[in-house]
Amino acid sequence: AQSVTQLDSQVPVFEEAPVELRCNYSSSVSVYLFWYVQYPNQGLQLLLKYLSGSTLVKGINGFEAEFNKSQTSFHLRKPSVHISDTAEYFCAVSVFSGYSTLTFGKGTMLLVSP
Amino acid sequence: NAGVTQTPKFQVLKTGQSMTLQCAQDMNHNSMYWYRQDPGMGLRLIYYSASEGTTDKGEVPNGYNVSRLNKREFSLRLESAAPSQTSVYFCASSRDNQPQHFGDGTRLSIL
Repeated sequence: AQSVTQLDSQVPVFEEAPVELRCNYSSSVSVYLFWYVQYPNQGLQLLLKYLSGSTLVKGINGFEAEFNKSQTSFHLRKPSVHISDTAEYFCAVSVFSGYSTLTFGKGTMLLVSP
Repeated sequence: NAGVTQTPKFQVLKTGQSMTLQCAQDMNHNSMYWYRQDPGMGLRLIYYSASEGTTDKGEVPNGYNVSRLNKREFSLRLESAAPSQTSVYFCASSRDNQPQHFGDGTRLSIL
């Protein structure tokens, strides 16, 4: 079975500052990794994904993440955040078997203040 | 360009009542999923359907049943609602190993 740990439940940051949201996973097999964002009262929107290839993955809204197999991590970064980035961010992992059930972390609330 | 549509968006039930949450996708995806989201718990998989005609239990299936009506539709039923089932329910769909697409959720309160 897979598991995902998001180390911070909340991350407060000032506008235009850089941010890193941490995600570690455990699995006995190769995995696919995802970051989703959830704005208030909305569903989840895919930010970025790692399926294979380059370990540095770029997503929407200026976010990027780096897959580190040796450290089993997939941390999300943005060099300069905006107020509009305030949302909850979920890291998720799946094992491909023709379909993809996701195992989610508990989420990190990013709070951007002016 | 609807994607994944969930109905209703909000519902209040009394303990013991039954209800069906509806989900439909128009992306021709093979697989569909039901999750519940509770504060501090992330999303937990209730049931999934890898393909039309099949359903399987996820992490938290107790108290729920599902029906994959056709390729487009996947419903979730609460036969006898309990306060512990107060949650936000999300339906999602995907194709092969591609990322899942989510609906906007159903906010369910059970008194």
